[in-house]
Formats: sequence, C-alpha cells, structure tokens
Amino acid sequence: QKEVEQDPGPLSVPEGAIVSLNCTYSNSAFQYFMWYRQYSRKGPELLMYTYSSGNKEDGRFTAQVDKSSKYISLFIRDSQPSDSATYLCAMNYGGSQGNLIFGKGTKLSVKP
Amino acid sequence: DTGVSQNPRHKITKRGQNVTFRCDPISEHNRLYWYRQTLGQGPEFLTYFQNEAQLEKSRLLSDRFSAERPKGSFSTLEIQRTEQGDSAMYLCASSFTGGGNTIYFGEGSWLTVV
Repeated sequence: QKEVEQDPGPLSVPEGAIVSLNCTYSNSAFQYFMWYRQYSRKGPELLMYTYSSGNKEDGRFTAQVDKSSKYISLFIRDSQPSDSATYLCAMNYGGSQGNLIFGKGTKLSVKP
Repeated sequence: DTGVSQNPRHKITKRGQNVTFRCDPISEHNRLYWYRQTLGQGPEFLTYFQNEAQLEKSRLLSDRFSAERPKGSFSTLEIQRTEQGDSAMYLCASSFTGGGNTIYFGEGSWLTVV
C-alpha cells in the first residue's frame, strides 16, 4: 500500500460545477497537508496548506483534513476552464522532516 | 522574478553522458529540495539541504547522483553516466525554517536520455 493514495482520474466537469478532490493516507504521523496545482509541463504551484485536522478556505478553494479517517479533500467552487490542471495532494511529518510525500495527482478538466 | 529558478529547462543527452542542473532558491529560503517526477506520477523526494548541509537523501538517489549546495545558496544536481530511466522532470523547491513547511517549487528541468 502506498503511503498516499489519490485517484488519477481524469475528472471532467462543466464550468461552474463544484469539484471534489480527495486523498487517503496510511501514516497517522503526518501533520502538514498541502494541495498543489500543476499545469502541463510546469512545476507544482502551492494552493492550500493545512496543519492537522480542520477546514481552511481561500476564495473558491476549501481544504479539509480528517485525521481520524486519514482523509483529505480539496473543494473547488464555481469551477473555471482555467482550473483545468493536475491537482496533487502532499503531506509530511513536519519538524525537521524535509520531504513531502505526494499522491499521483488527479487530472481535472473543466469544460466551458 | 523572485521564485525558484531552474536551469536548463530542457536537456537532451545521450546515454552515458553526464548532466548537471542548477537551482536558485527564493533568496531568503534556507532549505532546498530536489524531487524527480515522471509522467503520471507525483514528485518523488530525492534530497534536501538546510543551508549547506545535506540533511536527508532518498534511496532513489543512487551513487550516480550527487547534489551540492556549497555556500548555502544555489544548488546543483549532477547525474553521471545517464541511463534512459533517468528521463524525468527534476524539480527544485525551497522553504525556510519557521515557514510552516510551505514548500515552493520551480518550473523544473526536463531531462531526456536518448
């Protein structure tokens, strides 16, 4: 079992839809949870960052972490064609631990 | 532009040749990371530096790979005797201690080994 599982999709939605992206993980020691957006042949761009359990909202994006279920989500409201990209979840232990553990990424397409 | 800068952006090399990639982190960041990403996969951690000290290395970092950050600023990643399996995007990222583990990536360096 991989440490972080993410459905690769592809996921196709109409413009204006609410998008739900999810990851599960196996290691309960993870403390920091991130979502990155990656356009084709570009580097990952940090979207959301959450410490421990709870919700965090930033504009059209909401990140949720449920540590009891080892499950994290990213919601995108009023999705736009410009949101079409691959979304990567990532997490780490924090402290002096430097590396992020990534999911495979979910490819999202928002159709006009 | 004050983001993470990587050079070259693309490199095509023949099998067996050596290649070197350079990364310039965000100026106030003391931590620097190297990751590798292949098509359809998320980035995989290779190594990271805090200032000039290399603090962690992944098992993915074989003895053909070497990374340096001699003055705690820019870093280089060298791959010796390249193999076709080394074809990937090599990503550099940076952060600073006390920044809450927010890690920022560069645009990546694409390597194709033919």
